[in-house]
Amino acid sequence: GDQVEQSPSALSLHEGTDSALRCNFTTTMRSVQWFRQNSRGSLISLFYLASGTKENGRLKSAFDSKERRYSTLHIRDAQLEDSGTYFCAAEGITGNTRKLIFGLGTTLQVQP
Amino acid sequence: EAAVTQSPRSKVAVTGGKVTLSCHQTNNHDYMYWYRQDTGHGLRLIHYSYVADSTEKGDIPDGYKASRPSQENFSLILELASLSQTAVYFCASSGYEQYFGPGTRLTVL
Repeated sequence: GDQVEQSPSALSLHEGTDSALRCNFTTTMRSVQWFRQNSRGSLISLFYLASGTKENGRLKSAFDSKERRYSTLHIRDAQLEDSGTYFCAAEGITGNTRKLIFGLGTTLQVQP
Repeated sequence: EAAVTQSPRSKVAVTGGKVTLSCHQTNNHDYMYWYRQDTGHGLRLIHYSYVADSTEKGDIPDGYKASRPSQENFSLILELASLSQTAVYFCASSGYEQYFGPGTRLTVL
């Protein structure tokens, strides 16, 4: 079936550095959503994209508008509070169920 | 701010017992979802609903039932709980963007 592949699976950054997370899809997707899961287990929506790019503070996300088969999440000037597990999830183009397929996540640790 | 609440937040159940997890949303969203999260598996969709009084099977529906008595409420029912159903369960609602509840940690002994 349709799959969402996230990379890297784990990442360690020093405060103040930049990095990018990537999500590849095995087929064309309608939309993508990025989440951060914090230490308490809460899933916080970061971005929802049907196309193009969105930016919020130090975070920026892009969804490949041409083939719709990958998305990226850029973290600028990483801070300790950015630590957590980042999930991307995508909605397929068939039907209109709005079902999301989740990747396995990227565990990010930001160190002083 | 979108609001999805779940109850209980944690539960210990015995094998073979009945468990009901409840979800309530105040977002006026048509779609609601139940997921489970296991280490190494990410989140997987159990059941979902796009209108009251109707539910649909997700990717892993076996052993679970769902009920959507109103637009605001969506329940997940484990008629005969099993050890393999120990997991964290998340409810979500969506218009387009999905918003998640805080999760319910279920332990089946």
